Amino acid sequence: GQQLNQSPQSMFIQEGEDVSMNCTSSSIFNTWLWYKQDPGEGPVLLIALYKAGELTSNGRLTAQFGTTRKDSFLNISASIPSDVGIYFCAGQYGGSQGNLIFGKGTKLSVKP
Amino acid sequence: GAGVSQSPSNKVTEKGKDVELRCDPISGHTALYWYRQSLGQGLEFLIYFQGNSAPDKSGLPSDRFSAERTGGSVSTLTIQRTQQEDSAVYLCASSGRSWGTDTQYFGPGTRLTVL
Repeated sequence: GQQLNQSPQSMFIQEGEDVSMNCTSSSIFNTWLWYKQDPGEGPVLLIALYKAGELTSNGRLTAQFGTTRKDSFLNISASIPSDVGIYFCAGQYGGSQGNLIFGKGTKLSVKP
Repeated sequence: GAGVSQSPSNKVTEKGKDVELRCDPISGHTALYWYRQSLGQGLEFLIYFQGNSAPDKSGLPSDRFSAERTGGSVSTLTIQRTQQEDSAVYLCASSGRSWGTDTQYFGPGTRLTVL
């Protein structure tokens, strides 16, 4: 099935460092979403973006909806050990419904 | 319930057997989705139910896969004549309009292993 191009695949960082990951697509999306998945659990929504150019923050997380509507990035500032997990971007064609198209994920490891 | 629940949490089956996976969505949510997550991969869309409309089955990989949603609530994903490549985590999500958005909330998944 269709997937988004998400990079990097994995990151190993020191606690306190900032993190950046991004997703690109050949298709235009109306909504970009960022999820985090912990082992043995389903993905949990972190940030949702609905307008091209939109920049949204959620605590130490900041995400942007690219102006071309074909890309998005997620930044995590001052990482902490509990940030460990797999981060997925997801795009949605429909207004606010319909299935999500996911990236393959970025696995984040944080050294205390 | 408080969140999306799925059962069983783990299922081991032999190649060729049929399996049924269950999803209980958040009460009141009108939309229900099934996704499949293979090892080290992102989520792959399978099927989408919205209210009483005909489901969007465009993501089902073969005719061995089917799903139904009874009474607009509980859903069952059935895989017939399972193959080893069906081994994956099957995730269910539900959504309903809240604060103007249709955020999809995911269950913990069912890990299917086909021997």
